[in-house]
Amino acid sequence: ETGVTQSPTHLIKTRGQQVTLRCSSQSGHNTVSWYQQALGQGPQFIFQYYREEENGRGNFPPRFSGLQFPNYSSELNVNALELDDSALYLCASSPRAAGSGGTQYFGPGTRLLVL
Amino acid sequence: AQSVAQPEDQVNVAEGNPLTVKCTYSVSGNPYLFWYVQYPNRGLQFLLKYITGDNLVKGSYGFEAEFNKSQTSFHLKKPSALVSDSALYFCAVRDKAIVSGNTGKLIFGQGTTLQVKP
Repeated sequence: ETGVTQSPTHLIKTRGQQVTLRCSSQSGHNTVSWYQQALGQGPQFIFQYYREEENGRGNFPPRFSGLQFPNYSSELNVNALELDDSALYLCASSPRAAGSGGTQYFGPGTRLLVL
Repeated sequence: AQSVAQPEDQVNVAEGNPLTVKCTYSVSGNPYLFWYVQYPNRGLQFLLKYITGDNLVKGSYGFEAEFNKSQTSFHLKKPSALVSDSALYFCAVRDKAIVSGNTGKLIFGQGTTLQVKP
């Protein structure tokens, strides 16, 4: 098991609502990436945070936003939920040192269902 | 554009037989390649990676992968499959080289389900 934790594990929302997902990174990691994994698909990159700033973003609309805190934990916020937002949301943390190869270690995910 | 292809949706092998899960990639420059495994209702677990050096990379749980630059492939292998290896396997490529503190996004294939039968 990695040291990456996510909460909640499951969540049910209705269309139009807003949701906040949380991630605690592994000790010593200062970079957090978020991915969306739709059913039967590979994970898709949403964005990455490094030292509390967004450091790269995938092809997701602005209603997907995030934060990183001084302790390197992170939040993913999704506004105006749509049915297609139903997915497993994965958080991954990675260490600082370039020599580590930048391996991303994933948490267990939050499964979001939008009705 | 960077991309990863896993041509097989499912691979079936008998326990004790060797297994191969295929992955090909398209990336400009030198690739950084990864394999992850996902068990039902779980996140992704890191298996192994290729950054540079020896083309044969050894990873967790007896898995290994061979980087072949000319064929742009990074196939996952194991000499003797276990029933407990049954899971969903993802190949991934990182889209850019490391800049200090930046790890780059991962681009994943669609995944291959490995079924190992007793």
